[in-house]
Amino acid sequence: QVQLVQSGAEVKKPGASVKVSCKASGYTFTTYDINWVRQATGQGLEWMGWMNSHSDNAGYAQNFQGRVTMTRDTSRDTAYMELSNLRSDDTAVYYCARFGPGGYFDCWGQGTLVTVSS
Amino acid sequence: NFMLTQPQSVSESPGKTITISCTRSSGSIASNYVQWYQQRPGSPPTTVIYEHYQRPSGVPDRFSGSIDSSSNSASLSISGLKAEDEADYYCQSYDSNNPWVFGGGTTLTVL
Repeated sequence: QVQLVQSGAEVKKPGASVKVSCKASGYTFTTYDINWVRQATGQGLEWMGWMNSHSDNAGYAQNFQGRVTMTRDTSRDTAYMELSNLRSDDTAVYYCARFGPGGYFDCWGQGTLVTVSS
Repeated sequence: NFMLTQPQSVSESPGKTITISCTRSSGSIASNYVQWYQQRPGSPPTTVIYEHYQRPSGVPDRFSGSIDSSSNSASLSISGLKAEDEADYYCQSYDSNNPWVFGGGTTLTVL
């Protein structure tokens, strides 16, 4: 079955960077875009950006321009999201999600908690 | 850019019908499809409605979606409420400037 499995929780200091991975299985990885969404504790969903798994093109939300980079490794069927210059308000659960054939986010990773604390 | 505004919380008794609204701040609600996601505590979201009113396979027909151009809003209705429907619900739509926009989310409590 279609599945996205993310890397484990991270604790980072302010100013550092974090790179979260998202491994796809159950489908041809390069066929569908991967999006990234984050959710601070008790807060709503915030879209961060998307990556074309085939071409490596990416587009980022205005709030994250200049701080986020989305890449992929097709040999590993894995997408990556790197967020730099971390601040305490970047503490959140980060999700990857497949933009599927139905035109919606049809499969989500389990989430990766990133904690930013000095 | 536009915003999607949802009520913060709604509550209703089991067996009843609830409707959650999602109002678009600018531009027509009909110009881009609206999706609805359900999120239970500690779990990632799952889709309950896509393209305004389509249900993914496995989603019961108790869930329905609609749009109303006069109020520039989308709605998610859940009939025959069950305890398992208690969750947060988010609407989502497309914005050419900042592709995916989520509403702030609505907490559904089944009393």
